[in-house]
Amino acid sequence: ILNVEQSPQSLHVQEGDSTNFTCSFPSSNFYALHWYRWETAKSPEALFVMTLNGDEKKKGRISATLNTKEGYSYLYIKGSQPEDSATYLCAYASGNTGKLIFGQGTTLQVKP
Amino acid sequence: KAGVTQTPRYLIKTRGQQVTLSCSPISGHRSVSWYQQTPGQGLQFLFEYFSETQRNKGNFPGRFSGRQFSNSRSEMNVSTLELGDSALYLCASSLDVTVNQPQHFGDGTRLSIL
Repeated sequence: ILNVEQSPQSLHVQEGDSTNFTCSFPSSNFYALHWYRWETAKSPEALFVMTLNGDEKKKGRISATLNTKEGYSYLYIKGSQPEDSATYLCAYASGNTGKLIFGQGTTLQVKP
Repeated sequence: KAGVTQTPRYLIKTRGQQVTLSCSPISGHRSVSWYQQTPGQGLQFLFEYFSETQRNKGNFPGRFSGRQFSNSRSEMNVSTLELGDSALYLCASSLDVTVNQPQHFGDGTRLSIL
């Protein structure tokens, strides 16, 4: 059974704080690691797709890194804003298909 | 460009009935995947379709089935509904089946079984 673990499960921060989450996945048969943001009452939105060890991706104040050899990815949010409040999901692909194994997510609450 | 459209948005059924959910992908997208989310569970992969063929199936009983049409629209069917099938069902589309393509999700169908 392939397991994708995310930590922490939830996080409460103040506006302006920087924060980071962890996604752990099997290091064997790695093909890709996806990050999605899921806001309440909306559909999950793709943030990053990462395929190479050492990949670093950035989108505004959000960035992600990937270590496929040890099986983890970090998502960083710099200067959190209330609109960053959402559940952040990572998903692992062990084959070159659209089948993704999702973690349980990290729910971020940013207080003004 | 229209996003992924799922219908219906909400559905209430009783145990033993069957249900069909529909998903229209983004225009030009040929791969459609289905996921189930239940309380306390992450998104669980159901199946993936590409060019009217099921390419992958998750660990769900045979009561869960699906298909894809020539226009890439997809349907999933659940027969003999059980209380545990109450969930949010999400459909996602991508350009093709390669794993480096992001998936674009619909708003989901929330199915409640009484």
